[in-house]
Amino acid sequence: KAGVTQTPRYLIKTRGQQVTLSCSPISGHRSVSWYQQTPGQGLQFLFEYFSETQRNKGNFPGRFSGRQFSNSRSEMNVSTLELGDSALYLCASSLVAGGDTGELFFGEGSRLTVL
Amino acid sequence: SQQGEEDPQALSIQEGENATMNCSYKTSINNLQWYRQNSGRGLVHLILIRSNEREKHSGRLRVTLDTSKKSSSLLITASRAADTASYFCATDANNQGGKLIFGQGTELSVKP
Repeated sequence: KAGVTQTPRYLIKTRGQQVTLSCSPISGHRSVSWYQQTPGQGLQFLFEYFSETQRNKGNFPGRFSGRQFSNSRSEMNVSTLELGDSALYLCASSLVAGGDTGELFFGEGSRLTVL
Repeated sequence: SQQGEEDPQALSIQEGENATMNCSYKTSINNLQWYRQNSGRGLVHLILIRSNEREKHSGRLRVTLDTSKKSSSLLITASRAADTASYFCATDANNQGGKLIFGQGTELSVKP
């Protein structure tokens, strides 16, 4: 069974630009979560989607958005990039969502550098 | 905000020794999970312990949970150089609707 696939793996953008990251979950997984990882703040929860609905959202500005498609694939978008958005963005999928969260399966991440 | 705090932040041991990492959290939880991350890679799930469990084993891993103290520990026995990684605890809090909140992690270095 293929794992969680994130694209692109690496990208460089400049301030003010926008970026779209993609995540394909494990087949059969309907929950997709996104996390931002930085050396200073650690792993911060961005949002979680289940059956195309955003179920949970972290404490990030509106520049960070996401969506989930009917095939459970998910995208996240960051608009008007700032230097502080440089981070490793991790996507994770799971079988269940809401209430009791089970094991998360993570992708290798998309490393975004903002210049 | 971070739910879990881990201790120590960094740990350096010799191969064959045991490594113990601790995690404290603030609110009641459904379960607590431990993950491992090799440098710059994705996280890998190690073990999940539910709030009504006190101890769980998986291979060389032993996890304990004390809900009265809101703390957990991860013990890796007979460590190997390949265990070198960052280890994170993550909590599924009852009022968080299913998202995991991660601690800052413990960076483990196992020297051959």
